[in-house]
Amino acid sequence: DAGVIQSPRHEVTEMGQEVTLRCKPISGHNSLFWYRQTMMRGLELLIYFNNNVPIDDSGMPEDRFSAKMPNASFSTLKIQPSEPRDSAVYFCASSFRESTDTQYFGPGTRLTVL
Amino acid sequence: GENVEQHPSTLSVQEGDSAVIKCTYSDSASNYFPWYKQELGKRPQLIIDIRSNVGEKKDQRIAVTLNKTAKHFSLHITETQPEDSAVYFCAASRGFQKLVFGTGTRLLVSP
Repeated sequence: DAGVIQSPRHEVTEMGQEVTLRCKPISGHNSLFWYRQTMMRGLELLIYFNNNVPIDDSGMPEDRFSAKMPNASFSTLKIQPSEPRDSAVYFCASSFRESTDTQYFGPGTRLTVL
Repeated sequence: GENVEQHPSTLSVQEGDSAVIKCTYSDSASNYFPWYKQELGKRPQLIIDIRSNVGEKKDQRIAVTLNKTAKHFSLHITETQPEDSAVYFCAASRGFQKLVFGTGTRLLVSP
């Protein structure tokens, strides 16, 4: 298996623009997680899907962030409009059943908002 | 909700020494405690985990201990090597609750 796939790997955009991050989980995994990592806030969960249904979105910063999982093999995280404080590395991870199963992280997307 | 505290934030050791990283958690119902290693510019990767039905688990040079009464767990790395240099994160969770991470420990192993 190729592991968790994320695209793009790097994104540089200007404030106010829409940003869409993409994730393909490991085949057969039923849970998908979006994390954000910054020096100031560390590694924080944004949203957690199980069987394509959002289970916990308490970490989504505000209405500018939205996430979807239209099917078991694809998820998106959208930021609209983007702001400089959104600059971070965004990781997608997946696990077989739930959050207490091993989570496999993707390579991350480094987002820079100018 | 769960809160995980991790200490120290930075740890420097000489090659061959042991390193210990400690975490405490707040939710007594948490039953899953993984440790992740993140090398510079890379993704976090699971190195070992422990569930609340055991007190200790070992895998070669790394071990994790869990004290449910005190609500703390620790990562032990023996015979450290330069390639052990990385940031280590502890985490805690239960069931379908989200995994909550500690703030990380930067381990530096000097040759």
